[in-house]
Amino acid sequence: GAGVSQTPSNKVTEKGKYVELRCDPISGHTALYWYRQSLGQGPEFLIYFQGTGAADDSGLPNDRFFAVRPEGSVSTLKIQRTERGDSAVYLCASSLLAGGLGEQFFGPGTRLTVL
Amino acid sequence: KQEVTQIPAALSVPEGENLVLNCSFTDSAIYNLQWFRQDPGKGLTSLLLIQSSQREQTSGRLNASLDKSSGRSTLYIAASQPGDSATYLCAVGAGAQKLVFGQGTRLTINP
Repeated sequence: GAGVSQTPSNKVTEKGKYVELRCDPISGHTALYWYRQSLGQGPEFLIYFQGTGAADDSGLPNDRFFAVRPEGSVSTLKIQRTERGDSAVYLCASSLLAGGLGEQFFGPGTRLTVL
Repeated sequence: KQEVTQIPAALSVPEGENLVLNCSFTDSAIYNLQWFRQDPGKGLTSLLLIQSSQREQTSGRLNASLDKSSGRSTLYIAASQPGDSATYLCAVGAGAQKLVFGQGTRLTINP
């Protein structure tokens, strides 16, 4: 597809469960970002990949959150032992240029609800 | 720590009016500034990107300006239309990798 895609669009889970959220960036974009958006707030940075490596994971809230991008394209955000406070929209973005210089293009997001 | 503020939080204007949305940031050492539009329940659509060396960018009825020294950006929308109703987010490129977002301005254009 032409844009960033994310699956699933909605995920409902129970407290304590494990979830995986997938992001498929724009073809050829080497930079990939994950953000989290709570209701009524702007998105907050979680992690940045340049190629296969996580160049900056300073926004991950704790060690229950982990993300991978094994082949430098698709990325998966993994959340262990989910808590109700993890409920939010998780947004993925990609950029052609590295180092924050390029325009970031966002996917539609995954709405995570932890019951 | 970079902080981004958008004022007002909500704005309602009649169709056809020109309007200005404001964004301020605390640290002038930015790489770029990006304006986004977000429709309810949707992702972010990029409107304009201004690099730190630029003063403004234009796209159609939209014009964004950047004044790094004062830590301000404005988004000017000309001849507003009901389809412009959405939340507008300002984000600054900080620390070479990430965007730091404001909380957004919820814009309503009344027919």
